[in-house]
Amino acid sequence: DIQMTQSPSSLSASVGDRVTITCRASQSISSYLNWYQQKPGKAPKLLIYAASSLQSGVPSRFSGSGSGTDFTLTISSLQPEDFATYYCQQSYSTRVFTFGPGTKVDIK
Amino acid sequence: EVQLVQSGAEVKKPGESLKISCKGSGYSFTSYWIGWVRQMPGKGLEWMGIIYPGDSDTRYSPSFQGQVTISADKSISTAYLQWSSLKASDTAMYYCARAQRITMVRGVTSYYYYYMDVWGKGTTVTVSS
Repeated sequence: DIQMTQSPSSLSASVGDRVTITCRASQSISSYLNWYQQKPGKAPKLLIYAASSLQSGVPSRFSGSGSGTDFTLTISSLQPEDFATYYCQQSYSTRVFTFGPGTKVDIK
Repeated sequence: EVQLVQSGAEVKKPGESLKISCKGSGYSFTSYWIGWVRQMPGKGLEWMGIIYPGDSDTRYSPSFQGQVTISADKSISTAYLQWSSLKASDTAMYYCARAQRITMVRGVTSYYYYYMDVWGKGTTVTVSS
């Protein structure tokens, strides 16, 4: 099985900050990596697919990069509505699409 | 509008059986995989498995193989997640989500990427004696 890790597990930031979240796969997954945002009591929302492609309707302050085993989600200027938990997900394995443990972004 | 509508909250006792549903609308239900995701209280997202309603091809995460059954009835555009004997540890929110597939061509090679683009609102399952 492919295992996913994320760092940090949580972070505190201020509005306007640049925020970077890292996701690492236990083996190379090329660019088969997605990012989701989840707010309390809500279903996850797709932000980035194929490591760096922005989902339609998602603000351009979100960006993704990386390939192989190391990936990054960057929020260029944190907005109040961005306080949430972020998950990476690999889609390299045949139909077993493991999630990372999540990174909670809260207000400093 | 593309949407997945999940069945309502359930409260069950240990040992009971349960089947929850996820109805798709606004798109060709038989042409997209539907995945199921567990979220235990205060915890992260866990991939359970996925089904292709067109032919009922089903794949399970090793962690959930044998613990649940995923099925679909394409005649009513509905996917299901079921348990034969619930445990207290099955208490969680369960989400269904559609797997979108896109093709990216690099050089002469085509690559197929999957991601979960449409999510249901979730079904809360509480198992308590």
